[in-house]
Amino acid sequence: DIQLTQSPSSLSASVGDRVTITCRASQSISVYLNWYQQKPGNAPKLLIYAAYSLQSGVPSRFSGRGSGTDFTLTISSLQPEDFATYYCQQSYSAPMYTFGQGTKLEIK
Amino acid sequence: QLQLQESGPGLVKPSETLSLTCTVSGGSISSSSYYWGWIRQPPGKGLEWIGSAYYSGGTYDNPSLKSRVTVSVDTSKNQFSLNLSSVTAADTAVYYCVRLATRGWFDPWGQGAPVTVSS
Repeated sequence: DIQLTQSPSSLSASVGDRVTITCRASQSISVYLNWYQQKPGNAPKLLIYAAYSLQSGVPSRFSGRGSGTDFTLTISSLQPEDFATYYCQQSYSAPMYTFGQGTKLEIK
Repeated sequence: QLQLQESGPGLVKPSETLSLTCTVSGGSISSSSYYWGWIRQPPGKGLEWIGSAYYSGGTYDNPSLKSRVTVSVDTSKNQFSLNLSSVTAADTAVYYCVRLATRGWFDPWGQGAPVTVSS
């Protein structure tokens, strides 16, 4: 099974900060890595697919990078609505899929 | 705009079968570009993929659920369903239905259906 490890597990930041979340795969997954945002009480929402492609309607302050085993999600300038939990998900081992454990982004 | 909506009982007894249905609106479930699936999230925990199905057949489920999963598609109703047998308290979770792109991302998601397993 392919394991995804996110770091940090939680993060405190301020509005306007630049924030980076990392997702590391237990083996190479090429660019088969997707990112989601989940706000309390809501379903997750797709932000980035195939490592760096921005989903339609997602603000351009979100960006994804990486390939192989190491990936990052960066928010260039935090907005109040960005405080949420973020998950990475791999599709390299399709039709089996796994998620990272999540990174909770909180207001400092 | 495609929308998904889960429906089904919110309370299931231990050892029984959990059954949920997802109704798809704003698009056809018979699209060749997508699978349809289920993901769950136990209270306060992360996300777990349960299983997926294609409109014309072909299903896949998470081996960790030990063959308790059936995902099926009803094209006549534009719906797909989840059956999870022999449930225990560990199956208590919010269950989301999702559309799965062939390249492996989940979008959109239903709003989620909370299910509690308890006698």
